[in-house]
Amino acid sequence: QQPVQSPQAVILREGEDAVINCSSSKALYSVHWYRQKHGEAPVFLMILLKGGEQKGHDKISASFNEKKQQSSLYLTASQLSYSGTYFCGTEGTGGSYIPTFGRGTSLIVHP
Amino acid sequence: GAVVSQHPSRVICKSGTSVKIECRSLDFQATTMFWYRQFPKQSLMLMATSNEGSKATYEQGVEKDKFLINHASLTLSTLTVTSAHPEDSSFYICSAREGSGGLGSNEQFFGPGTRLTVL
Repeated sequence: QQPVQSPQAVILREGEDAVINCSSSKALYSVHWYRQKHGEAPVFLMILLKGGEQKGHDKISASFNEKKQQSSLYLTASQLSYSGTYFCGTEGTGGSYIPTFGRGTSLIVHP
Repeated sequence: GAVVSQHPSRVICKSGTSVKIECRSLDFQATTMFWYRQFPKQSLMLMATSNEGSKATYEQGVEKDKFLINHASLTLSTLTVTSAHPEDSSFYICSAREGSGGLGSNEQFFGPGTRLTVL
């Protein structure tokens, strides 16, 4: 089942913060986050495994609450380069380990 | 990060012809490769999962005879769209994963995608 992402779109000014949420109706083993620029393939950002991980690099971080079957991506002091569509991919605990992607969240950062 | 290449990046063909798309992992051995298609402003829709040396596992609704997948080696998978029609026009993206998932689940690395236009 496809995870649900919210919001669908975010418009920010440079320097503002944003949070993108990803929730699933099934028990999760891992959550992946990707960013895709228009006309390009998705680029891997990070993966979080069950156990309630938090990860981050630069000003982008994420958390994974396996009990709530939710993950959030935090973008701090956004830069113009952060613009794109963010997808979360979730792997269930059923053993197939095949990620299912959400519909994406479009992020636009203005100067 | 690991590099995955796709070839060609763009192809335009006539209706009824077959098109082959190659996906290569350049600096790692890909136990598993995934093929996706993506329509404009939509999510990645998984078409099939292929493991080296075995038959691909297709998602529900994806025609096996139309979308032929071959994962002949640990660094190469091919997708052939047979008898392509205009409705097959889309952005096809492959991804590769070093492991088979699970403990130490490995991230997927995506190829740059192939834009197919069928006239």
